[in-house]
Amino acid sequence: NAGVTQTPKFQVLKTGQSMTLQCAQDMNHEYMSWYRQDPGMGLRLIHYSVGAGITDQGEVPNGYNVSRSTTEDFPLRLLSAAPSQTSVYFCASSGGHRYGYTFGSGTRLTVV
Amino acid sequence: AQSVTQPDIHITVSEGASLELRCNYSYGATPYLFWYVQSPGQGLQLLLKYFSGDTLVQGIKGFEAEFKRSQSSFNLRKPSVHWSDAAEYFCAVVPFGNEKLTFGTGTRLTIIP
Repeated sequence: NAGVTQTPKFQVLKTGQSMTLQCAQDMNHEYMSWYRQDPGMGLRLIHYSVGAGITDQGEVPNGYNVSRSTTEDFPLRLLSAAPSQTSVYFCASSGGHRYGYTFGSGTRLTVV
Repeated sequence: AQSVTQPDIHITVSEGASLELRCNYSYGATPYLFWYVQSPGQGLQLLLKYFSGDTLVQGIKGFEAEFKRSQSSFNLRKPSVHWSDAAEYFCAVVPFGNEKLTFGTGTRLTIIP
């Protein structure tokens, strides 16, 4: 089925470990974004991309890296995990702002 | 400061009653406007969107929203709610000339029998 696929669905990390959250879309969308969701704070933009090779920072970029080597994939890297990065992470893609974004099902990350 | 505000953190309505969820934005030019719904443990689903034209927009699941430029608002409505509408609802904007989709803090909707 067409859509946004995120892996893994759940992850537990120890403080200081690094990992990559995967995101792939098969809709040939140019725009892709990463959000984190925390209780009472809505969704906050971490990084976004307007096309392959082009990324920019969102509202809360510290501690995260992204790259966009292909249209389909937009991985999010945690460089050195901290308990403050415990959250639910969502990836989203869009073919244009007026069409809205399609969201993945999320990755629940716990850092201990 | 530019922002999107959902003033109600939690709303409780009876099944069959009408619903209105509030959303206000503060941007120089009218942004693209969206409402999303998130059921417990799920991702987000687009309910409806507005970028120009008719100020009353229809969405999925029987929802509608009205854009009011004078009030900088984009409120979500449903004439008669069902128990399955219990979820969290997010208003979101893409400012004019920007690529970033920015969310409000959400309104949690509880439905009572």
